Amino acid sequence: GQQLNQSPQSMFIQEGEDVSMNCTSSSIFNTWLWYKQDPGEGPVLLIALYKAGELTSNGRLTAQFGITRKDSFLNISASIPSDVGIYFCAGQLSDSYDKVIFGPGTSLSVIP
Amino acid sequence: GAGVSQTPSNKVTEKGKYVELRCDPISGHTALYWYRQSLGQGPEFLIYFQGTGAADDSGLPNDRFFAVRPEGSVSTLKIQRTERGDSAVYLCASSLTTSNQAFFGQGTRLTVV
Repeated sequence: GQQLNQSPQSMFIQEGEDVSMNCTSSSIFNTWLWYKQDPGEGPVLLIALYKAGELTSNGRLTAQFGITRKDSFLNISASIPSDVGIYFCAGQLSDSYDKVIFGPGTSLSVIP
Repeated sequence: GAGVSQTPSNKVTEKGKYVELRCDPISGHTALYWYRQSLGQGPEFLIYFQGTGAADDSGLPNDRFFAVRPEGSVSTLKIQRTERGDSAVYLCASSLTTSNQAFFGQGTRLTVV
C-alpha cells in the first residue's frame, strides 16, 4: 500500500532558526497535507496543497507540493518555542478528505 | 460543543474484554473518520462514515473491530476480544463534507493489559 517517509525523524534547533522537513512517497498523491500534533491532542491541519508545484504559505510556514507528486516539504521560518511538536505530512489519492495516509512524523524541539 | 469530543479520554481494559469508544462530531458535520495512532507513529486510517453509512471500512484491521453511526451524528467504535496489540490512541475526526477539512478530537488512549 501507500507509504510515506519523513525526514528528519527528529530535530533540535535554537529559537529563531529556520526549519525544513521533507516527505516522500512511493505513490503519487493528488493532495498533500501538513499537520501539527501537540502532546495529548489530535493533529491540526497547517497547510493543504492541491496542485503539483504549488507553493503555499501560512504565516511563518511554507509548504510545496513536489512536481513529481511524490514529495513535499515544509519550512518554518524564525522558529519560536510554541513550534514544538510533531509534524506529520499526509497524502490523499483523491481531492476529498475521505482517506488520508499519514507519514511517521518529524519531532521538533526548539531550544530557547 | 465547539469541537470533536471523544470519550473516555483514557481506557484501561483487560485482554479479552469488549470496549466501546465514543465520538461526538462537530454539529452538522456529515463525514466522520476513525484513525488509530500507535506510539511514535502517524495516525492510521480505520473507517469513515458519510452520514449513517460506512463509506470505506478498508482500514479496520480485522473483524474484532466494528463501528456504527446510527443517526448520522455520534459514532461508536467497538472492539471485541481486545488484545495487547490494540493498545493505541484512537482518534476521531469530522468534516462538514468530505470536500472540507477534517477536525480531530483529542483521542481515546486505550491500554489493554
